[in-house]
Amino acid sequence: DAGVTQSPTHLIKTRGQQVTLRCSPKSGHDTVSWYQQALGQGPQFIFQYYEEEERQRGNFPDRFSGHQFPNYSSELNVNALLLGDSALYLCASSLREHYGYTFGSGTRLTVV
Amino acid sequence: DQQVKQNSPSLSVQEGRISILNCDYTNSMFDYFLWYKKYPAEGPTFLISISSIKDKNEDGRFTVFLNKSAKHLSLHIVPSQPGDSAVYFCAASAGNNNDMRFGAGTRLTVKP
Repeated sequence: DAGVTQSPTHLIKTRGQQVTLRCSPKSGHDTVSWYQQALGQGPQFIFQYYEEEERQRGNFPDRFSGHQFPNYSSELNVNALLLGDSALYLCASSLREHYGYTFGSGTRLTVV
Repeated sequence: DQQVKQNSPSLSVQEGRISILNCDYTNSMFDYFLWYKKYPAEGPTFLISISSIKDKNEDGRFTVFLNKSAKHLSLHIVPSQPGDSAVYFCAASAGNNNDMRFGAGTRLTVKP
């Protein structure tokens, strides 16, 4: 039974470019949350998707957007990349109304 | 807005001794608390949790204590093993499946 799968594992982009990160949730899970983890910090909540809609959002600008597909997989899009967007992006899946997330291994994004 | 704080960035203990990791929070609406463990190049993995209606939860070598009046929780690992060496994150949420807020993490090193 596959856990949470994220792709790609590593990515290098130039300032001003756009990036799309992908996440497949754990089998049976219907909710996907995205987190940004900068070096030396804890994961920061970006947003959460359930039933293909954004349900919760953290303190991130509109450059960060997402999508959830009917099969529960999700994408995170970041436009107009800044150097400060360099971080590990973690996807976590869960079952609605249940506590506890299962995390993927993350996508390491480097903006140069 | 740091709602969950782990004030010790690192902790070093001898194998066989007790490890105590601390966490403080500011949001009184938090009603569920979790500890995650993270190895390099992997996503955080769930370790143990506690509901606000309890003050202690035990699972093998791991025990979490919650002091609601002090808005403080701690994770005890006893006996500590070298394989416990990792970064430990404290997380809290308010309500089912709401976004989790993470602390900055504590790097635990267990020396043989």
